[in-house]
Amino acid sequence: QQQVKQSPQSLIVQKGGISIINCAYENTAFDYFPWYQQFPGKGPALLIAIRPDVSEKKEGRFTISFNKSAKQFSLHIMDSQPGDSATYLCAVKDNYGQNFVFGPGTRLSVLP
Amino acid sequence: DTGVSQNPRHKITKRGQNVTFRCDPISEHNRLYWYRQTLGQGPEFLTYFQNEAQLEKSRLLSDRFSAERPKGSFSTLEIQRTEQGDSAMYLCASSPGSFVDAGELFFGEGSRLTVL
Repeated sequence: QQQVKQSPQSLIVQKGGISIINCAYENTAFDYFPWYQQFPGKGPALLIAIRPDVSEKKEGRFTISFNKSAKQFSLHIMDSQPGDSATYLCAVKDNYGQNFVFGPGTRLSVLP
Repeated sequence: DTGVSQNPRHKITKRGQNVTFRCDPISEHNRLYWYRQTLGQGPEFLTYFQNEAQLEKSRLLSDRFSAERPKGSFSTLEIQRTEQGDSAMYLCASSPGSFVDAGELFFGEGSRLTVL
């Protein structure tokens, strides 16, 4: 049973544009919502994360928006750069089992 | 570099053979996780350890899979009688988490398994 869904599956953005990736989850027993960035052949690396007590968190060009009632959170990348081209993975952490469940990923391509 | 280290990075084996992967977590990280990732998919949870105790195993982890973390430091993941469906990237991650809070995950670069 898939608990985490991501959209879109792939995204192409022009340099300088805004990239928006969405994540939706089913279970309410999650307490930590990270986004990971993964380059081909590499392991995922934490990009930014949010806890459910805030609705938005910004770090540089990256922003997470969190909607607890809709059980959705999104990643916004401002001024997208070709170096941002990667797969972006959202995840949720189960506050009971302490396990992390990942979405299927969104492949972002930023054109120069 | 004091990040999570995984070995070997690549392994090609014939169906039916046994393989073992090793993960050295970040020093003093209490938690260690194993995930499996296939092409175009997100990582799928396999198991995790809190120190040397294996606290949770996914139903994906058949009886051909076994993981150990004998002294709460490095961990090994063994796959017996490999099948072609086992071909994937095996990712290890560690975190400074306690029993109460998992903390952030820090991933290694993975061990890619190809079963012929």
